Amino acid sequence: QVQLVESGGGVVQPGRSLRLSCEGSGFTFSTYAMEWVRQAPGKGLEWVAVISYDGSKKYYTDSVKGRFTISRDNSENTIYLQMNSLRPEDTAVYYCARGGYYSSGIDVWFDPWGQGTLVTVSS
Amino acid sequence: QPVLTQPPSSSASPGESARLTCTLPSDINVGNYNIYWYQQKPGSPPRYLLYYYSDSHKGQGSGVPSRFSGSKDASANTGILLISGLQSEDEADYYCMIWPSNTLGVFGGGTRLTVL
Repeated sequence: QVQLVESGGGVVQPGRSLRLSCEGSGFTFSTYAMEWVRQAPGKGLEWVAVISYDGSKKYYTDSVKGRFTISRDNSENTIYLQMNSLRPEDTAVYYCARGGYYSSGIDVWFDPWGQGTLVTVSS
Repeated sequence: QPVLTQPPSSSASPGESARLTCTLPSDINVGNYNIYWYQQKPGSPPRYLLYYYSDSHKGQGSGVPSRFSGSKDASANTGILLISGLQSEDEADYYCMIWPSNTLGVFGGGTRLTVL
């Protein structure tokens, strides 16, 4: 079955970096856009970033532009989220989700979602 | 970044219908956008339910019952998720989402649905 598994979360001090990973299985990974969505504790969902199926297009929400970088390695069925200059407000569960088929990842639905990985930014 | 407004909470009894709304800002016309809906139960990741653009352009998530349906109210600039025949298992948080530009996705704040 289609499955997404995130990893890499943890506790990090403000200003430091962290890299999240999301490995997909059960589908042809290289043909789908992939997304990152986060959810702060007790709060709603926030779309973070998207990468097209071939990695040629990447888009970010304004609050992470210049600090976060999304990338993918289709040979490893994995996407990454490199998070630099982390702030306390980046504390959240980070979910990866599958986007559109042969898509830029824009104006698509997210299905399925991984279980998420918790990032805590605190001194 | 546009703000999608969802009522924080809603409630209805089993067997009744629940109408959850997602209001777009006045400078974004709901008629021009796909509205995506997600369900999230406590301790679980979100689940894709459906999208709605028009009666001829809509889609249901895999395994999502037909009791979940979408629509729009153009006069209120609002997207609507209708859940008919409410069941206790429908108690969850519901989020709408749109893509207001070619580079940005936005979720609503979510509605917590209580099945009384």
